[in-house]
Amino acid sequence: EADIYQTPRYLVIGTGKKITLECSQTMGHDKMYWYQQDPGMELHLIHYSYGVNSTEKGDLSSESTVSRIRTEHFPLTLESARPSHTSQYLCASSDVPGQGSDTGELFFGEGSRLTVL
Amino acid sequence: LAKTTQPISMDSYEGQEVNITCSHNNIATNDYITWYQQFPSQGPRFIIQGYKTKVTNEVASLFIPADRKSSTLSLPRVSLSDTAVYYCLVGENRDDKIIFGKGTRLHILP
Repeated sequence: EADIYQTPRYLVIGTGKKITLECSQTMGHDKMYWYQQDPGMELHLIHYSYGVNSTEKGDLSSESTVSRIRTEHFPLTLESARPSHTSQYLCASSDVPGQGSDTGELFFGEGSRLTVL
Repeated sequence: LAKTTQPISMDSYEGQEVNITCSHNNIATNDYITWYQQFPSQGPRFIIQGYKTKVTNEVASLFIPADRKSSTLSLPRVSLSDTAVYYCLVGENRDDKIIFGKGTRLHILP
């Protein structure tokens, strides 16, 4: 089983609040990702990281920001939540092929479901 | 990353073998083909990966023809619990930017 954890699992919050979604992995993976997914819709990559102090934007533009100060943590922050941010946010990590995994497969957390009122 | 095309949805019955085909005409020499499964409200889960010919594990088989322009995920004797979305991804294992397409929504009927 993958050792990647997301908190909170569910969050209902009012417009304008600042929120941080936490993601932690204990596998020592260098690569981490944030995806956004609405119910029944496709996954969209919003942020990824190659390792500590590296962050990149994904394919879907997002008002969220991320940081990677430690290998195991990859938190996502929304400075001012809006109803349009209501979605499920999925965090994932992967190893570098040849350093423990041949496939570079992604391991996903259970997701954080955000509702902004 | 090579673009992939899969059927939007498929229906099948319990006990049947299900084959989901993915087209990837622009696959590059160093690209691998990877399939993920996603249940509602969960993150995707790795199923199988291959480069050429046939790969089999305890969950599925992956058939890749010689030209590698398509691949077929085969699920033997499906059950209701195999109802999920299946994603075909094509790219190098070292790719940093991993993009999921729309996937194939598989619905297993009793």
